Amino acid sequence: AQSVAQPEDQVNVAEGNPLTVKCTYSVSGNPYLFWYVQYPNRGLQFLLKYITGDNLVKGSYGFEAEFNKSQTSFHLKKPSALVSDSALYFCAVRSTSGTYKYIFGTGTRLKVLA
Amino acid sequence: KAGVTQTPRYLIKTRGQQVTLSCSPISGHRSVSWYQQTPGQGLQFLFEYFSETQRNKGNFPGRFSGRQFSNSRSEMNVSTLELGDSALYLCASSPESGASGRETQYFGPGTRLLVL
Repeated sequence: AQSVAQPEDQVNVAEGNPLTVKCTYSVSGNPYLFWYVQYPNRGLQFLLKYITGDNLVKGSYGFEAEFNKSQTSFHLKKPSALVSDSALYFCAVRSTSGTYKYIFGTGTRLKVLA
Repeated sequence: KAGVTQTPRYLIKTRGQQVTLSCSPISGHRSVSWYQQTPGQGLQFLFEYFSETQRNKGNFPGRFSGRQFSNSRSEMNVSTLELGDSALYLCASSPESGASGRETQYFGPGTRLLVL
């Protein structure tokens, strides 16, 4: 069965420091991996996705993520955090076989401290 | 292009009532998915529609139903509301049916439903 794990409920980081939000997955077949961000009282906004090719994916707002097949991980990173990055981040996976349903992680709340 | 729109944005109902939520996808998008978001359960997939047909379904009781119209607009209905149905209901659209799995889903702002 497909699953996504975001092991940290909350990540705190000081403004200007690098940030990492962790995501690991389990799928049959090759994965399509996505990161979304949710601000209060808003829907989810797409940040980036990995389909194939280069393991380092660059996305919106300076975020990037690295696909690591051996560790089945897709961690979200940013070199220098901003207070405005504070939000709820979701990792999602779709398998390349089966029903192609999105499976979302439980979310990680990122808090960037000024 | 206009984004995904959902109406109403907020709704208060009482137990036993039914509710209908509406979603208009991004122009040209043919797939619409629905999700329930609660603090305890996170994002739970409800169902996906493509070309007026339900393509995928999550593990929700039959009280939850949906449909899609020929213009790709979608509605979801919850009958006999329970307190536990209080949640943010999110709609997402994507260009294709999910047959390749590559498509990005774009989310609307959600409808917040409170059941009293």
